[in-house]
Amino acid sequence: DAGVIQSPRHEVTEMGQEVTLRCKPISGHNSLFWYRQTMMRGLELLIYFNNNVPIDDSGMPEDRFSAKMPNASFSTLKIQPSEPRDSAVYFCASSPPTGTSSYEQYFGPGTRLTVT
Amino acid sequence: GNSVTQMEGPVTLSEEAFLTINCTYTATGYPSLFWYVQYPGEGLQLLLKATKADDKGSNKGFEATYRKETTSFHLEKGSVQVSDSAVYFCALSGGGGSYIPTFGRGTSLIVHP
Repeated sequence: DAGVIQSPRHEVTEMGQEVTLRCKPISGHNSLFWYRQTMMRGLELLIYFNNNVPIDDSGMPEDRFSAKMPNASFSTLKIQPSEPRDSAVYFCASSPPTGTSSYEQYFGPGTRLTVT
Repeated sequence: GNSVTQMEGPVTLSEEAFLTINCTYTATGYPSLFWYVQYPGEGLQLLLKATKADDKGSNKGFEATYRKETTSFHLEKGSVQVSDSAVYFCALSGGGGSYIPTFGRGTSLIVHP
């Protein structure tokens, strides 16, 4: 399997612009997680989907952030409008069904976002 | 709620030294425990796991034992290499039926030749 795929790998944008990050989970996995990682805050869980349904979005910073999972093989995280404090590395991770695993996660390579 | 506490870094060692990174947790129920490793510029990778008390997870010379009595899951390696330099995260999931994982803050390991 190709693993979790994220695009783009790097994104540089200006404050106020819309940013869309994309994720393709591992085939057969039914849970998907979006994380943000910064030096100051470490690794933060933003949102968790199970079977394409958002289960917990309490980590989403504010209304400027939104996430969708239209099908089992694709998810997006959108920031509109972007701000310099959104600069971070954003990770997507997926997990297999709980009956077949012990809740381990498989992470993508991340998208490094810089907002100027 | 669930929480994971791991020792702050950086941990700096010479090659072939013994490594211990401490991790303790609080959780409801019987979670699975994990160590993930993050190399520079990459995402986190599962290093090892243990799913029940007294289980020992091992991989690439690293080991950790699920100690329910002390709520600990310390990571050890007998002889570290320069290539082990990375950030190590302790995590738990599945406690109390929750799929949402809880991660520690990460411990940076620097190994000098």
